[in-house]
Amino acid sequence: SYVLTQPPSVSVAPGKTAKISCGGNNIETKSVHWYQKKPGQAPVLVVYDDTDRPSGIPERFSGSNSGNTATLTISRVEAGDEADYYCQVWDTSSDHVVFGGGTKLTAL
Amino acid sequence: QITLKESGPTLVKPTQTLTLTCTFSGISLNTSTVGVGWIRQPPGKALEWLAFIYWDDDERYSPSLKSRLTITKDTSKNQVVLTMTNMDPVDTGTYYCAHATSYDIEFDYWGQGTLVTASS
Repeated sequence: SYVLTQPPSVSVAPGKTAKISCGGNNIETKSVHWYQKKPGQAPVLVVYDDTDRPSGIPERFSGSNSGNTATLTISRVEAGDEADYYCQVWDTSSDHVVFGGGTKLTAL
Repeated sequence: QITLKESGPTLVKPTQTLTLTCTFSGISLNTSTVGVGWIRQPPGKALEWLAFIYWDDDERYSPSLKSRLTITKDTSKNQVVLTMTNMDPVDTGTYYCAHATSYDIEFDYWGQGTLVTASS
């Protein structure tokens, strides 16, 4: 089965740029989606189809996908961005949804 | 406006069957390229996909849980139901239903989640 690998944690100073990686075999051939998950709240889709943002998501959130790594980039990080972030794909070879293990973003 | 809401028991005993209902509004499961999935999160752990049902009744299941899961829909009631048999304490967690628009299955709308505890 397809596996997505994320770093457990990323720390960044407020105002700086955070990059959260999501590794998978030839992931560039898949559409990658990213979710923000805060304690006690439902996940929120922040990037879909590698690079697109849903309505209402700040432009500070962006995504890229190349080779074996997809990346969520959060510019000018704010305290309110502290959350767990999950990548997700639809694995067409198995017809299954796959989530990464999640990355905890801390604004130092 | 699209909304989803999960309902079901908060406590189940080990070996019992869990039945959760997702009631939605603002979408129609009669529309092509639309579906609803179930995702859970055990305390302190990652999101885990469970099952997905398409508008045309096609179903997909997590390979590790497939033998225990059944997903169905009732279009007339705007509901999707998930059953999970043989509940175990490790199944404790928050269960979410979520809507997906395209065949790339990005979950764009989520319910608030419902906490289910499996304990005797």
